[in-house]
Amino acid sequence: SQQGEEDPQALSIQEGENATMNCSYKTSINNLQWYRQNSGRGLVHLILIRSNEREKHSGRLRVTLDTSKKSSSLLITASRAADTASYFCATPQGGSEKLVFGKGTKLTVNP
Amino acid sequence: DGGITQSPKYLFRKEGQNVTLSCEQNLNHDAMYWYRQDPGQGLRLIYYSQIVNDFQKGDIAEGYSVSREKKESFPLTVTSAQKNPTAFYLCASSTWGASGANVLTFGAGSRLTVL
Repeated sequence: SQQGEEDPQALSIQEGENATMNCSYKTSINNLQWYRQNSGRGLVHLILIRSNEREKHSGRLRVTLDTSKKSSSLLITASRAADTASYFCATPQGGSEKLVFGKGTKLTVNP
Repeated sequence: DGGITQSPKYLFRKEGQNVTLSCEQNLNHDAMYWYRQDPGQGLRLIYYSQIVNDFQKGDIAEGYSVSREKKESFPLTVTSAQKNPTAFYLCASSTWGASGANVLTFGAGSRLTVL
């Protein structure tokens, strides 16, 4: 039961550039989360945005949420090689708090 | 340091064998989860547990079993009935409903390969 879908599937940029990845979901949600996964490791929570919020910042991360379009974006500004990872959006499944993850965007930041 | 420990990190299994993956947390979290990840894919929920001695099936529970005898522990058994068990398995925990949202803390994962 895939809820969120990230776009693009893969993104390659140079250090210092901004990286934008998008997430679309199907049903109404009360929050949306972004996670990061380094190759072969577990996921790490980055940021959560609630349905009554339109934008949220955390360091170099900026997340937006458009509930009318059922979409979210994650912007990483001034990217670094260490940002190379896969990024996943996650949304609650139905009315529960079980999280459903998309397939992720694989970001490569070239030095 | 609080966290989630998964073991073993790598596991090889012959066809027809059951294997058990360990997951221990010292975060005092109520809820625990098992996800499966295949190459280039998202995470799929196998089982989850909100309280001790209770657990529910996720989206792909067939061929798997779990137990939750202690709050800190949520082992996953991959049985011989699981047709394609080679995958990366991730355990997570959360404080259910805290802050009005369910934020997961993940372990480092266990990679199972069937020979």
